Amino acid sequence: ETGVTQTPRHLVMGMTNKKSLKCEQHLGHNAMYWYKQSAKKPLELMFVYSLEERVENNSVPSRFSPECPNSSHLFLHLHTLQPEDSALYLCASSQFFDQPQHFGDGTRLSIL
Amino acid sequence: RKEVEQDPGPFNVPEGATVAFNCTYSNSASQSFFWYRQDCRKEPKLLMSVYSSGNEDGRFTAQLNRASQYISLLIRDSKLSDSATYLCVVTDSGGYQKVTFGTGTKLQVIP
Repeated sequence: ETGVTQTPRHLVMGMTNKKSLKCEQHLGHNAMYWYKQSAKKPLELMFVYSLEERVENNSVPSRFSPECPNSSHLFLHLHTLQPEDSALYLCASSQFFDQPQHFGDGTRLSIL
Repeated sequence: RKEVEQDPGPFNVPEGATVAFNCTYSNSASQSFFWYRQDCRKEPKLLMSVYSSGNEDGRFTAQLNRASQYISLLIRDSKLSDSATYLCVVTDSGGYQKVTFGTGTKLQVIP
């Protein structure tokens, strides 16, 4: 299924680097989400956008900066990350909040 | 009380067995309910929505008990390929309908 596409699939970066994760959905959905999943831990919701407007910011450190330029694209800008930020970052979309979410394959991020 | 709570397991069951998971939720006004499946190092995938009247999809049956605030997932005739973590998801009602994922229940089907 290619409804939600995330790039890159893998990313290794140093703590002083700046990088961005990209998510694109081809499903015509109105809501998009960023999640973090650390090893052997549950999903942690980071950000929620509805029609390009952020509706949830789940106490995420400012070193993570989301951007939603349109309803099909979602970015997560990263800078000065910490080793504990190493995780799988998942993007999802849904038609509305009460509809099922479709996930991308995720970006596996490693911070050196 | 956690918003959405699941027994983490693992549930180790033999092939062919029937296994059931429960998931409790704290907000009585919750509106939508889903079960997702997540394989190791993969993204969650929707398994089935949970309707008030209960619903069945092949070997999988989902039930909602609003009075006791829990949803259940029953898997009959377990297959090795059913081994995964099963996540329950609850959506609140209201303007911004907050979505909450449970921590997941790990199932291991043994030959």
